[in-house]
Amino acid sequence: DAGVIQSPRHEVTEMGQEVTLRCKPISGHDYLFWYRQTMMRGLELLIYFNNNVPIDDSGMPEDRFSAKMPNASFSTLKIQPSEPRDSAVYFCASSRAGQVNQPQHFGDGTRLSIL
Amino acid sequence: AQKVTQAQTEISVVEKEDVTLDCVYETRDTTYYLFWYKQPPSGELVFLIRRNSFDEQNEISGRYSWNFQKSTSSFNFTITASQVVDSAVYFCALSARGGGGNKLTFGTGTQLKVEL
Repeated sequence: DAGVIQSPRHEVTEMGQEVTLRCKPISGHDYLFWYRQTMMRGLELLIYFNNNVPIDDSGMPEDRFSAKMPNASFSTLKIQPSEPRDSAVYFCASSRAGQVNQPQHFGDGTRLSIL
Repeated sequence: AQKVTQAQTEISVVEKEDVTLDCVYETRDTTYYLFWYKQPPSGELVFLIRRNSFDEQNEISGRYSWNFQKSTSSFNFTITASQVVDSAVYFCALSARGGGGNKLTFGTGTQLKVEL
């Protein structure tokens, strides 16, 4: 079975540019999560969706960040305008719904560098 | 509020040694789930185990074992006869209903280095 697929794997861009990160969750999974990993702050949950609907975006750092999930098989995380402090590894994860909290399965991440 | 503490930032062992990674959690919920993830040098996050708060039985999977003790709010991970391939960052995580259902709160991770 295909896992969570993220693109691009690496992105280097100049500050002020728009950045779009993409994620395809595992088929049949109802939840999708976006995380950011930095040395200083570790793994932080930015936002998560259930059945394509944003449930909690309290981790989104500021208005420059936005996330969408137009359908069950695709989500984007957009940063506009980007700043050097946004440099991090961004992970997408998905999980099934169920009576118990199912494990989240992570993509390989997007390593983002803002110059 | 939920919190996961992994006090060991980095551990170095020689191959074939046993090693235990500590995890202490805080939550006010009576129903919660604990997880361990592995992040090898290649960077991906790999799910290892899930345990719910009503099941305190220890679990063994090959060289891996987990000890869950509610009395001390700990969920420790032991690798027996460590191997170089075990070198990775290991994260403990908590998910509780009061914390927003499926949201995971991660610890800061323990870097394990296994040397020859």
